This record gives sequence, C-alpha cells and structure tokens, in this order.
Amino acid sequence: DIQMTQSPSTLSASVGDRVTITCRASQSISNWLAWYQQKPGKAPKFLIYKASILQSGVPSRFSGSGSGTEFTLTISSLQPDDFATYYCHQYYSYSYTFGQGTKLEI
Amino acid sequence: EVQLVESGGGLVQPGGSLRLSCAASGFTFINYAMNWVRQAPGKGLEWVSGTSSSGDSTYNTESVKGRFTISRDNSKNRLFLQMDSLRAEDTAIYYCATGHISNWFPFDYWGQGTLVTVSS
Repeated sequence: DIQMTQSPSTLSASVGDRVTITCRASQSISNWLAWYQQKPGKAPKFLIYKASILQSGVPSRFSGSGSGTEFTLTISSLQPDDFATYYCHQYYSYSYTFGQGTKLEI
Repeated sequence: EVQLVESGGGLVQPGGSLRLSCAASGFTFINYAMNWVRQAPGKGLEWVSGTSSSGDSTYNTESVKGRFTISRDNSKNRLFLQMDSLRAEDTAIYYCATGHISNWFPFDYWGQGTLVTVSS
C-alpha cells in the first residue's frame, strides 16, 4: 500500500497568515491526490482534486500543487472558518490511503 | 441539495453483524459510484469499500475482505454495508460518500456518519 505522510501534524497560525501543509507519498501517485477539510464532529468536506483543481464553491484562498510524491495545500490568508483538520488522500492505487491529518489551530 | 443520511449503527458484540444503510437524495444516484469511509475515534480516515454506479463492481480494503459486503439499490437510492464477524478494531464512525460522478474517487459528498461500536 502507498503510505501518505503529512507535515506538520499540528500547525498554529493566526487569521490572515499564509500557511502550507505538505503531503508526501511513499511512491509516485502522479497527480491523483485530493484534499479534505474536517471540523470537529462533522463530516469531511471535499476541497481539491487532481492535486490542484478546486472543487466548485471552495474559496480561491485555497490552492494545491505538486505531482509525483510531494504535494502542498496552501491557504493564502487564513480565515476563522479555516481552523480545522486537513487530510490528503491518494486515489492512484489500492487501498486509496489518507494522510494522518494536519490540525490547523489558532 | 445533495443529502446522504446514514443509519443502522450501534453497539454490537465481537463476532456480531450489523447492516448500515445510506439514503441518498438531491442528485442522480445511479450516475455515481459510492463508497464507505470510516474514522476510528480520534483517528484519521480509512476507505473501507466502494461500488460502481451500476453495482456490478465492488472493492473492499484488505482488513474487511470476506467480512463486509457493499451493495446498492438504485431503484430506492440506497447504499448498504453488511458487516459480519465484527471486531473491536471495526469501531468507528462510518461515512457514506459519493465518488466523483462515475469515478470512484475522490469523494465529492459525505453523509454525517453513523457510529459503530464493537464491544462486549
């Protein structure tokens, strides 16, 4: 199975900051990567697919990049609503694994 | 508005069975591949099982093979997960999630989840 490793595990930031979360795959996954946002007690929300394509309705302050084994999720100017846990997800091959999550806190 | 509403979770003893259901509305169910994704308490996400839009193709993650069966009823816009021989490590919130239209991944829309607790 492909292992997905996110860094950092926890990120402290302030409203207005620019933040970047990294996701590394144990082998190349081309650009078959998605990002999700999850708030406590809620279901995950789909943000980005194919590494860099924003899902409809997702604010443009979110962006994704990367290919192969290294990927990033960037939030250009943090808003109060953005404090949550973020997961990357590879869908290149079975068993379609997720990263362990990055908790973005104030 | 897309809605996915899971039901059927609860407390079950190790070795027992449970059948989860997901009622879908607000989109053309028959056009979408569907999946179950779980999250153990305080842990990350794990894809469990998926089915094609027609239901002809299904796949499970290795740890549930031979124990869990995914199915769907396109006439009733429902997705199911039959879980047998349950283990303590199956304890989790189980989310129903659509694929990306006819593609299995990624997961466009998610339900709110149903909690399954396996304990004696």
